[in-house]
Amino acid sequence: EVQLVESGGGLVQPGASLKLSCVASGFTFSDYWMSWVRQTPGKTMEWIGDIKYDGSYTNYAPSLKNRFTISRDNAKSTLYLQMSNVRSEDTATYYCTSFYHRDYWGQGVMVTVSS
Amino acid sequence: DVVLTQTPSILSATIGQSVSISCRSSQSLLDSDGNTYLYWFLQRPGQSPQRLIYLVSNLGSGVPNRFSGSGSGTDFTLKISGVEAEDLGVYYCMQATHAPNTFGAGTKLELK
Repeated sequence: EVQLVESGGGLVQPGASLKLSCVASGFTFSDYWMSWVRQTPGKTMEWIGDIKYDGSYTNYAPSLKNRFTISRDNAKSTLYLQMSNVRSEDTATYYCTSFYHRDYWGQGVMVTVSS
Repeated sequence: DVVLTQTPSILSATIGQSVSISCRSSQSLLDSDGNTYLYWFLQRPGQSPQRLIYLVSNLGSGVPNRFSGSGSGTDFTLKISGVEAEDLGVYYCMQATHAPNTFGAGTKLELK
């Protein structure tokens, strides 16, 4: 059974840093591009970025590129999203996903940015 | 960024009714490689999104064939031929031809 399990979310203060993790199982993680997508409380979907299957290339939404970093550890079948200098508008549910060639989604992890 | 305009924003249907959702792009989604990277997703209440359609008209694995996608250039349509109760939720189109990927605002399918 394919599983993507995100963790690392929660309540964080503006300006802080946060690192989300996504552990994959049930498929060959190192074969797939992986992405992060977020959904705001108002249900707007926003693509954050992608990382190539071997980690050699990343792609970001320009508005997030300077604050968010995507990485992966194929030995651990884990995808990461490092968020820095978070703002209230980063409040959202964050999903890890591989949707280009397959349809794999995590359950989502909530991040709330508030003082 | 490419703007995807979905209409309608809310769609009321009865079980068995056929419905369509439109997704119009601010730019052609035909890529230089000949592919059109237009996807459709469904998010059921309380669930993660699910990919229904990829590359305009290709049905995802396990997706019922009452779903179909069509279109080209800037104009795309998702059709459900005979709505079932499990189809209720919010439908999103997304393009990956032009960086950054962008989503439509969503169409909520509800029971009439």
